[in-house]
Amino acid sequence: EPEVTQTPSHQVTQMGQEVILRCVPISNHLYFYWYRQILGQKVEFLVSFYNNEISEKSEIFDDQFSVERPDGSNFTLKIRSTKLEDSAMYFCASSTPRGGNEQYFGPGTRLTVT
Amino acid sequence: GDSVTQMEGPVTLSEEAFLTINCTYTATGYPSLFWYVQYPGEGLQLLLKATKADDKGSNKGFEATYRKETTSFHLEKGSVQVSDSAVYFCALGRNRDDKIIFGKGTRLHILP
Repeated sequence: EPEVTQTPSHQVTQMGQEVILRCVPISNHLYFYWYRQILGQKVEFLVSFYNNEISEKSEIFDDQFSVERPDGSNFTLKIRSTKLEDSAMYFCASSTPRGGNEQYFGPGTRLTVT
Repeated sequence: GDSVTQMEGPVTLSEEAFLTINCTYTATGYPSLFWYVQYPGEGLQLLLKATKADDKGSNKGFEATYRKETTSFHLEKGSVQVSDSAVYFCALGRNRDDKIIFGKGTRLHILP
């Protein structure tokens, strides 16, 4: 069964450093998403991406964040200058119909900012 | 705005016990409702869904009914197994929007 994959599974970085989290969505999916979950809190929507552009973003997704689909398979989330409060589990998801329906999630990348 | 509230965990039950995890939502109109499950070390998996009032979603012995009058979507299973130990997330979404809105999750422990 096709699945969403994410790398790395755990990333440790120092405050102020740039990190790139990588995702490979399911191959025939057209819509891509990033969510995050700070320990003990809700899973929160960050951004959705369709047709090579952002279609929706939350207030969390500020100028420090960017997303890119650099080739036909990868979908990346970049944090330019990490803060301690960026420590969280980051989930990538993909879907075929537009949002609100079945989104398929990856296993997550745990980001620890020290 | 839309929101989801689910019961606090952890919930600890013995094998073969009856499970209920409560979930209520706040939303205008008729969102789709979901239960996602996260097994240890894995991603979020869609467990079941319902797209309109009175629909019942079911999968792997789990059921939830979309109750518009009580704005609820409680998850139930008649006889839980140790392998059901996981974190369960209630969520809602809309076809016209992109994001899924999650509850905080309920950790379930099943004792043999």
